[in-house]
Amino acid sequence: EAQVTQNPRYLITVTGKKLTVTCSQNMNHEYMSWYRQDPGLGLRQIYYSMNVEVTDKGDVPEGYKVSRKEKRNFPLILESPSPNQTSLYFCASSKPRDRGFSEQYFGPGTRLTVL
Amino acid sequence: LAKTTQPISMDSYEGQEVNITCSHNNIATNDYITWYQQFPSQGPRFIIQGYKTKVTNEVASLFIPADRKSSTLSLPRVSLSDTAVYYCLVGDLILTGGGNKLTFGTGTQLKVEL
Repeated sequence: EAQVTQNPRYLITVTGKKLTVTCSQNMNHEYMSWYRQDPGLGLRQIYYSMNVEVTDKGDVPEGYKVSRKEKRNFPLILESPSPNQTSLYFCASSKPRDRGFSEQYFGPGTRLTVL
Repeated sequence: LAKTTQPISMDSYEGQEVNITCSHNNIATNDYITWYQQFPSQGPRFIIQGYKTKVTNEVASLFIPADRKSSTLSLPRVSLSDTAVYYCLVGDLILTGGGNKLTFGTGTQLKVEL
């Protein structure tokens, strides 16, 4: 089954304790992306990756890191989490076409609480 | 990347047709228009995508005027299960080069009642 998986689904942590949220897709997609969703603000893109070893900033990259060492995986790293990073996080993947826009497949979400 | 503007919320009743309009005045020549549906605590799900004129699939239609500065998602005969947030996204993913940042708007909360 084609899917995007994220782990963990729920996480409560404390300020400053490094954490990683994993994302994996089994569709051989080049494009992967991380979003955060907060009430009243919709979905905001954190980082995206066009392919292995190619990453770029989205609209809200501060406080986050990513890496793309393998095509299928795109982990989101919070080196020193702060309470303002409490949010619902989504990973997504897509296969760009040479013309137009391929649909994004989203993971189930990770609800992160930073105390 | 084109900024999008949608109504914050809409209300409807079962069996009615719902039209949600998205404004994207600075859409670029290569940009496509894509709509997603999101239920609470789930990731968005693709509904429909188009470039110009009209596109129809089994769940919705997308109307895009000639100037492409707006688009309208049409949901025929909605049911309670169509209660969700609907996002309009304008952009293009290209294989090479940069500029592949994607920006969602705040979405439209559709509430369908009996």
